[in-house]
Amino acid sequence: TQLLEQSPQFLSIQEGENLTVYCNSSSVFSSLQWYRQEPGEGPVLLVTVVTGGEVKKLKRLTFQFGDARKDSSLHITAAQPGDTGLYLCARGGATSGTYKYIFGTGTRLKVLA
Amino acid sequence: NAGVMQNPRHLVRRRGQEARLRCSPMKGHSHVYWYRQLPEEGLKFMVYLQKENIIDESGMPKERFSAEFPKEGPSILRIQQVVRGDSAAYFCASSPPGLAGGNEQFFGPGTRLTVL
Repeated sequence: TQLLEQSPQFLSIQEGENLTVYCNSSSVFSSLQWYRQEPGEGPVLLVTVVTGGEVKKLKRLTFQFGDARKDSSLHITAAQPGDTGLYLCARGGATSGTYKYIFGTGTRLKVLA
Repeated sequence: NAGVMQNPRHLVRRRGQEARLRCSPMKGHSHVYWYRQLPEEGLKFMVYLQKENIIDESGMPKERFSAEFPKEGPSILRIQQVVRGDSAAYFCASSPPGLAGGNEQFFGPGTRLTVL
């Protein structure tokens, strides 16, 4: 089983602080997705990274795919209460040769006003 | 364009009853996936279907669980003789045709099943 480990599991910070969450695997994967899930809702896709070393920005969110394509990070600058949620990484999809996603364990983020 | 729809949003069943969860994919999407999420955990793949075909059910328990995606109508995840351990959020995702739907799966809001 190719597991995705996410860290930290829980994170509680004050509004305006910066944070980084990580997604690690012992296996190489050809693409990785980051999702955010709010309480009572389904996951919403934030980004897909494909190339080793790739960096993608989405407003205050910066996503990086490791050079060896075995790890990824999500950095949030100046966190806001609206960033609160469960952040999930997932591998899978057509470019990984499989149509089913394997999800990480998740990082539960709480941003206090 | 409406997103993935699931109903009911909440379902309460007593042990031994049947649970039926429905999923209507996004318009134009022909691939449907079901995932289960236990409290405080990530999502676990259960089954992948195309119209009238089960493509991969490797994540689905061998007994009591079944899924279908008929030519007409929504996809159905059916759990017979529910037990307390079936309590979870069940999410449906859909993706468009071609290359197993491409990279992106779009998720519905989920059905939260509680077994008393």
